[in-house]
Amino acid sequence: QKEVEQNSGPLSVPEGAIASLNCTYSDRVSQSFFWYRQYSGKSPELIMSIYSNGDKEDGRFTAQLNKASQYVSLLIRDSQPSDSATYLCAVSEETSGSRLTFGEGTQLTVNP
Amino acid sequence: GAGVSQSPRYKVAKRGQDVALRCDPISGHVSLFWYQQALGQGPEFLTYFQNEAQLDKSGLPSDRFFAERPEGSVSTLKIQRTQQEDSAVYLCASSLGGQGYSNQPQHFGDGTRLSIL
Repeated sequence: QKEVEQNSGPLSVPEGAIASLNCTYSDRVSQSFFWYRQYSGKSPELIMSIYSNGDKEDGRFTAQLNKASQYVSLLIRDSQPSDSATYLCAVSEETSGSRLTFGEGTQLTVNP
Repeated sequence: GAGVSQSPRYKVAKRGQDVALRCDPISGHVSLFWYQQALGQGPEFLTYFQNEAQLDKSGLPSDRFFAERPEGSVSTLKIQRTQQEDSAVYLCASSLGGQGYSNQPQHFGDGTRLSIL
């Protein structure tokens, strides 16, 4: 079983809709959770970080964390074609030197 | 403000050749990470430096892979006797804090796309 799993893609939504991206992790000592956006041929770009249970909102993005269920999600409201990218879920823990463990990514396409 | 800089952006080498990939982290960042990203996959951890100390090299796939950060700033990832399976994008990331600061975000460079013929 992979340590970090993301819902299989690709995911396609119409412009203006809500895109929902999900991620589960297997290691209960994971402490920090990140969502990165990666455009084709580009480097991962941090868009959200979350450390405690609950919701965290930043503009059109909302990250949700449930440590009991070992689940983290990202909601993108009012999706735009420019949101089309691969979204990577990453977790880290202090005991591993803060290295990130990534999921395989979910490819999102927002159709105009 | 400069971000993480990697060079070269693209590298083509023949099987068996040695290659060296460079990473210049954000100034003042203590931690430096190397990741390998295969096509269609998420990045996978290779090695971690805190200043000049290599604290974790558990992700290096073989003894052909070697990394250093002698002055605690620029880092070089070296691959000896390259094989076709080494073809991937090699990403470098840096973060402000050291070990124990798992909440510090990592900032990535644009990567080096390595192709082994």
